[in-house]
Amino acid sequence: AQSVTQLDSQVPVFEEAPVELRCNYSSSVSVYLFWYVQYPNQGLQLLLKYLSGSTLVKGINGFEAEFNKSQTSFHLRKPSVHISDTAEYCCAVKIGGGQKLVFGQGTRLTINP
Amino acid sequence: AAGVIQSPRHLIKEKRETATLKCYPIPRHDTVYWYQQGPGQDPQFLISFYEKMQSDKGSIPDRFSAQQFSDYHSELNMSSLELGDSALYFCASSGRGRETQYFGPGTRLLVL
Repeated sequence: AQSVTQLDSQVPVFEEAPVELRCNYSSSVSVYLFWYVQYPNQGLQLLLKYLSGSTLVKGINGFEAEFNKSQTSFHLRKPSVHISDTAEYCCAVKIGGGQKLVFGQGTRLTINP
Repeated sequence: AAGVIQSPRHLIKEKRETATLKCYPIPRHDTVYWYQQGPGQDPQFLISFYEKMQSDKGSIPDRFSAQQFSDYHSELNMSSLELGDSALYFCASSGRGRETQYFGPGTRLLVL
């Protein structure tokens, strides 16, 4: 069965520092990859997605992610974080022609001043 | 831009009661998905509909049913509620191609 692993449940960083949130998936077929952000008491907002083409994708709020097929990873990065980036970040995978998204366990990003 | 609308946003029910959650997709989106997110857990897929027909089914309990109407809105009906049904229920919608799902704000259900 396909699965998504977010290795870090919590990531504390200082404001203006760079951050990388890790996501690995297991699938032997083609995948679509997504990062969503969930602010407290709010829904899931799409940050960025990889469907095909360039493996480096840019999203909103200065985030980017790189699809690495050989390492089955889709890590999320931002060169300089802001207090407002404090949220839960969810990596999700859509397998082949399937309908559902399979989510990782989420990573709580905490920005310290 | 218009987003996915869910109602109600909060709902409190007693055990064994029923609940109906509603989802209004983004205009011109024809596919809706339902997910359940328990406390401290990742969202779990329940069910999806494309053009008013069930298109995929996940871990949805038999006590739950859902449908999509002619205007593409969807309703999730939950009966014989249990304490363990307390969760955040998300609806998402997608348009042509159905690659990307856009989520609503969720309905927080509390079963007492």
